[in-house]
Amino acid sequence: EVQLVESGGGLVKPGGSLRLSCAASGFTFSSYSMNWVRQAPGKGLEWVSSISSSSSYIYYADSVKGRFTISRDNAKNSLYLQMNSLRAEDTAVYYCAREAGDSSGSPWGYFDYWGQGTLVTVSS
Amino acid sequence: SYELTQPPSVSVSPGQTARITCSGDALPKQYAYWYQQKPGQAPVLVIYKDSERPSGIPERFSGSSSGTTVTLTISGVQAEDEADYYCQSADSSGTYKVFGTGTKVTVL
Repeated sequence: EVQLVESGGGLVKPGGSLRLSCAASGFTFSSYSMNWVRQAPGKGLEWVSSISSSSSYIYYADSVKGRFTISRDNAKNSLYLQMNSLRAEDTAVYYCAREAGDSSGSPWGYFDYWGQGTLVTVSS
Repeated sequence: SYELTQPPSVSVSPGQTARITCSGDALPKQYAYWYQQKPGQAPVLVIYKDSERPSGIPERFSGSSSGTTVTLTISGVQAEDEADYYCQSADSSGTYKVFGTGTKVTVL
């Protein structure tokens, strides 16, 4: 069974930093692109960042570019999101999501499995 | 930045058909995907590649595409279908993913 479990959320002051983690199990983690998607309270979904299976391709939404860094450790089946210079508008539930793809690691552009999310609150 | 536009809300009686549209300039070039999200839960994929249905998703969910608009249709709506629905696609380069604005489906 595919499982994605996020951790690392919490309350942080504006300008502060936080590192989110996502522990993956039940599939060959190193064969899939992974993503972070967030949802502000009462708002819609927003794609944040993606990383290819071998970390060769990394992309960010304009809203977080230059402040957030996505990374992965395939030996530990883990995905990370380092968030710096946090702002009130970064307050959201952050989901880890697997990108559907084939066995060669080619991503198909959509999310077939999601974690339950971790809440990040940026407030003084 | 690229945007996908959905109606904020759709209301439907049980057993009737709900149609949710999603409009975007790159949709003729990029596939669309649909997710269902119930309160306090993570999204669930209900349609991929415009019209394909994942295993375990009821047949009453279907998708279609025409030009710059894609549509999610729920036939014979049931009370359990009350949820928020989001389309998702990518910009014309296929690099940056984007979600629609979301539609709340209310079953009367």
